[in-house]
Amino acid sequence: EIVLTQSPGTLSLSPGERATLSCRASQSVSSSYLAWYQQKPGQAPRLLIYGASSRATGIPDRFSGSGSGTDFTLTISRLEPEDFAVYYCQQYGSSMYTFGQGTKLEIK
Amino acid sequence: EVQLVQSGAEVKKPGESLKISCKGSGYSFTNYWIGWVRQMPGKGLEWMGIIYPGDSDTRYSPSFQGQVTISADKSISTAYLQWSSLKASDTAMYYCARHPPYSSGWVRFDYWGQGTLVTVSS
Repeated sequence: EIVLTQSPGTLSLSPGERATLSCRASQSVSSSYLAWYQQKPGQAPRLLIYGASSRATGIPDRFSGSGSGTDFTLTISRLEPEDFAVYYCQQYGSSMYTFGQGTKLEIK
Repeated sequence: EVQLVQSGAEVKKPGESLKISCKGSGYSFTNYWIGWVRQMPGKGLEWMGIIYPGDSDTRYSPSFQGQVTISADKSISTAYLQWSSLKASDTAMYYCARHPPYSSGWVRFDYWGQGTLVTVSS
């Protein structure tokens, strides 16, 4: 089973700042099989990025994904108040999906 | 508009059985997979399993194999997650989510249901 480790666990930033979230895999992951989700309190997760770098429908261009192999990054270029949430990376491999433990992005 | 609408919250006792549902609309239900994801209180997301309603091909996470059963009725565009004997540790929010065919080359859960809260308590 591929384990995804996200860092940091909590990120405290102010609106307008840049956020960089990391997702590291225990084994190499196909870029096509790496996705990012946003979850706000009391809501279902929402797909942000798939294929490591493709934005899902309706996702603002301040969200971007990058990376390959075992290291992937979600970047939010200029934080808006509505971006403060928990973010999860997810991979698919060996007929299994796994999620990272999440990064909580909180207002500083 | 693609929608996944899940059944309402449930309160059950340990040992009871339960079946929750996820109804898809706004797309061809038989051409997309439906996955189930658990979120225990205050915790992260865990993939449980996935089903292709077109032919009922079903795959389970090893962590949930034998603990739950995933099924679908394509005639009413509905997927199900069921337990035969609930435990207190099954208390969680359960989400269904749509997944495109693997032949697309993409892996993503692109639409999610609103979640079904299952509480198991004596």
